[in-house]
Amino acid sequence: EIGLTQSPGTLSLSPGERATLSCRASQSVSSSYLAWYQQKPGQAPRLLIYGASKRATGIPDRFTGSGSGPDFTLTISRLEPEDFAVYYCQQYDSSSYSFGQGTKLEIK
Amino acid sequence: QVQLVQSGSEVKKPGASVKVSCKASGFTLNTFGVSWVRQAPGQGLEWMGWISAHNGNTNYAQKLQGRVTMTTDTSTSTAYMELRSLRSDDTAVYYCARDRGDYFYYYMDVWGKGTPVTVSS
Repeated sequence: EIGLTQSPGTLSLSPGERATLSCRASQSVSSSYLAWYQQKPGQAPRLLIYGASKRATGIPDRFTGSGSGPDFTLTISRLEPEDFAVYYCQQYDSSSYSFGQGTKLEIK
Repeated sequence: QVQLVQSGSEVKKPGASVKVSCKASGFTLNTFGVSWVRQAPGQGLEWMGWISAHNGNTNYAQKLQGRVTMTTDTSTSTAYMELRSLRSDDTAVYYCARDRGDYFYYYMDVWGKGTPVTVSS
């Protein structure tokens, strides 16, 4: 099973700043099979990015996904107050999904 | 409006079973797969398994093999997840999600609001 390691565990930034979140797979992962989700307290996850770089419907263009196996990045260009949340990367391999442990993006 | 509506919270004793439902609205369930994901209190996301609403094929996470069964009822556009022999560490919020796996991309684009399941004696 492919493991995903996200870093940092917690990222403290201010609104307007740029956020860079990392997701590293334990072995090569197809870019097509890498997705990012945002989760706010008490809410279900929300799809942000699929195929490593494709924004989901309705996702603002300040969210950008990039990278190729095994290293992927989610960049939020200018943080808005509503962007402070936990972010998970997810991969698919051999008929199974796995998630990273999450990066908490908190207000500095 | 495309959404997944899940059943309400459950409290179960250790050793019991729980069955969570997930009703699709605004789209035809049988053209998609459904993944189930759970989240223990204060923890991350754990994928539990997947079912094709088209043909009923399933794939379960190895750690849950033998305890979990996923089914669908296309006549009511509803997916079900049953977990048996419950333990305290099964206490979690259980989510269903529309699975868009199609050999090109794999991701979950519509999520239910979650069903809290508490296992306690």
